[in-house]
Amino acid sequence: SQQGEEDPQALSIQEGENATMNCSYKTSINNLQWYRQNSGRGLVHLILIRSNEREKHSGRLRVTLDTSKKSSSLLITASRAADTASYFCATPRRGGYQKVTFGTGTKLQVIP
Amino acid sequence: NAGVTQTPKFQVLKTGQSMTLQCAQDMNHEYMSWYRQDPGMGLRLIHYSVGAGITDQGEVPNGYNVSRSTTEDFPLRLLSAAPSQTSVYFCASLDGTTDTQYFGPGTRLTVL
Repeated sequence: SQQGEEDPQALSIQEGENATMNCSYKTSINNLQWYRQNSGRGLVHLILIRSNEREKHSGRLRVTLDTSKKSSSLLITASRAADTASYFCATPRRGGYQKVTFGTGTKLQVIP
Repeated sequence: NAGVTQTPKFQVLKTGQSMTLQCAQDMNHEYMSWYRQDPGMGLRLIHYSVGAGITDQGEVPNGYNVSRSTTEDFPLRLLSAAPSQTSVYFCASLDGTTDTQYFGPGTRLTVL
């Protein structure tokens, strides 16, 4: 089964609204990362939060991490049509980056 | 910097044929990885390398070979293509100082 599981699988919002996506994972991690994938393209790194951090901001992105619940959330504020993409969380496990696992993603559609 | 490049972008093979997917990066990263992405499955790690001359298996290595003779290049070889290998393949390299993965644009492979 996937180490990281995003929720919801799909999300449709109006431009200007906020979008929240969640990620749950199973084992101990060094850090948790969020990536964006536009249709037909490779993944682009958005933000990394380390296991000793609880919240991190980058522009319109806000990521939280709750290691006790093994969960993270990604909030995109004031969404734009260009934010339409799939969003993945990635969780490198302790013991080596090579054990990074990606979830199945949240497909976000922002309607202009 | 070109980042991570992959060739070809698209490929159609017949069952039993072999081919090599090329991947190169110009960022002097030690870590490189190959993933496949299938609908509803997220990204799954095929093989990875922690430096020139060092490779190891990921989650789904069967049917694939890799080698790493230089820091820059990390080719993925399909020995005898099967329809189950129809997928989109992504190569990635890791910046070890920031834990950020950089992905190539992907190769869409169809095996008939």
